[in-house]
Amino acid sequence: DAKTTQPPSMDCAEGRAANLPCNHSTISGNEYVYWYRQIHSQGPQYIIHGLKNNETNEMASLIITEDRKSSTLILPHATLRDTAVYYCIVSPFSNSGYALNFGKGTSLLVTP
Amino acid sequence: GAVVSQHPSRVICKSGTSVKIECRSLDFQATTMFWYRQFPKQSLMLMATSNEGSKATYEQGVEKDKFLINHASLTLSTLTVTSAHPEDSSFYICSARSQETQYFGPGTRLLVL
Repeated sequence: DAKTTQPPSMDCAEGRAANLPCNHSTISGNEYVYWYRQIHSQGPQYIIHGLKNNETNEMASLIITEDRKSSTLILPHATLRDTAVYYCIVSPFSNSGYALNFGKGTSLLVTP
Repeated sequence: GAVVSQHPSRVICKSGTSVKIECRSLDFQATTMFWYRQFPKQSLMLMATSNEGSKATYEQGVEKDKFLINHASLTLSTLTVTSAHPEDSSFYICSARSQETQYFGPGTRLLVL
């Protein structure tokens, strides 16, 4: 699987947009970009994923560069409950199931 | 999204005993489930891939005789930690894939005294 690089930590003021970057310069054509977050002592929570196009759901937006070598997760209005470790993972999609390999992620702290 | 449950959420046991953790996909079927382990202040580490009706595939360094995995149905996988020791104390998390996405259980905190 392609490797990802994320900043170890970021801060964001409550109510502001949180923009979390991820580099995946060795991504392959069949690999998706997935974002998960893990709140302390809980299992990872799925946020969003994409292949080429930008994606948006009720939680966040995912912006993928045209060359697919990097992406940005955007939480439009961060709240204190968004404080968590955010993981950017690239993985091929397969019906048989590829395990997701977690890096160290970005620890996001949302402050009042 | 799809829901994955785990039971128990936390367990304390004596050294030398065995502990079974259940992982269920509640609203979908999963031919493949995954087991992860997470030590404090570290990321999730894949332990094994559980395949319904066949043997699990273990990652390098994970003892298959110590961590027994059974995937007897399309909605249930179990992880049994045999003869647990204090160094097995950790946060165990399972996951299952539904369509393009992998969903995770809430985790099981194991403390071996």
